[in-house]
Amino acid sequence: NAGVTQTPKFQVLKTGQSMTLQCAQDMNHEYMSWYRQDPGMGLRLIHYSVGAGITDQGEVPNGYNVSRSTTEDFPLRLLSAAPSQTSVYFCASRPFTENTEAFFGQGTRLTVV
Amino acid sequence: TQLLEQSPQFLSIQEGENLTVYCNSSSVFSSLQWYRQEPGEGPVLLVTVVTGGEVKKLKRLTFQFGDARKDSSLHITAAQPGDTGLYLCAGLEYNFNKFYFGSGTKLNVKP
Repeated sequence: NAGVTQTPKFQVLKTGQSMTLQCAQDMNHEYMSWYRQDPGMGLRLIHYSVGAGITDQGEVPNGYNVSRSTTEDFPLRLLSAAPSQTSVYFCASRPFTENTEAFFGQGTRLTVV
Repeated sequence: TQLLEQSPQFLSIQEGENLTVYCNSSSVFSSLQWYRQEPGEGPVLLVTVVTGGEVKKLKRLTFQFGDARKDSSLHITAAQPGDTGLYLCAGLEYNFNKFYFGSGTKLNVKP
């Protein structure tokens, strides 16, 4: 059972570079989301999607873009990386019904220098 | 500022002690969930509480949802080193669109 797969696991970027964090799930979940986790801050929602073709902003969307062309994939794009985006990024998916469990990937540790 | 505030932020106790972690908000949620996260891994669900005043037990862990559906607590009885980890609460909006996570409680149980 693959569940939620994130790639890469680690990445170092230079300020101003762009990159895409990949997220794929094989559970046919409608809802997918991206979080960032910083020390002492828990997880903060960046963007989310309730189905293919539908995305919306979370708490901290600035500097990030997303798209959802298929149910399975939900990539997160950093347009011009900044040191403030150094963080651990988690992708999660769940069925879009009430009170369901969110399944998380193993995370991508991103450092921007 | 975060929608859900957890306390304490850090907790270091001896094996066998009891502890309580709190999760508070000014917002009302459809449900509240507790997750546990190990280093280098994503969070994993422990429990979901749905009804105001609800109490759920999971072995030595007791979870309670406040009557007003704004707060929750996690009580661990006779903590063990295997309970060490980061505990996160998460509230689900009524339209099911967003999960908001608390800031987390880092628990260390010493043998």
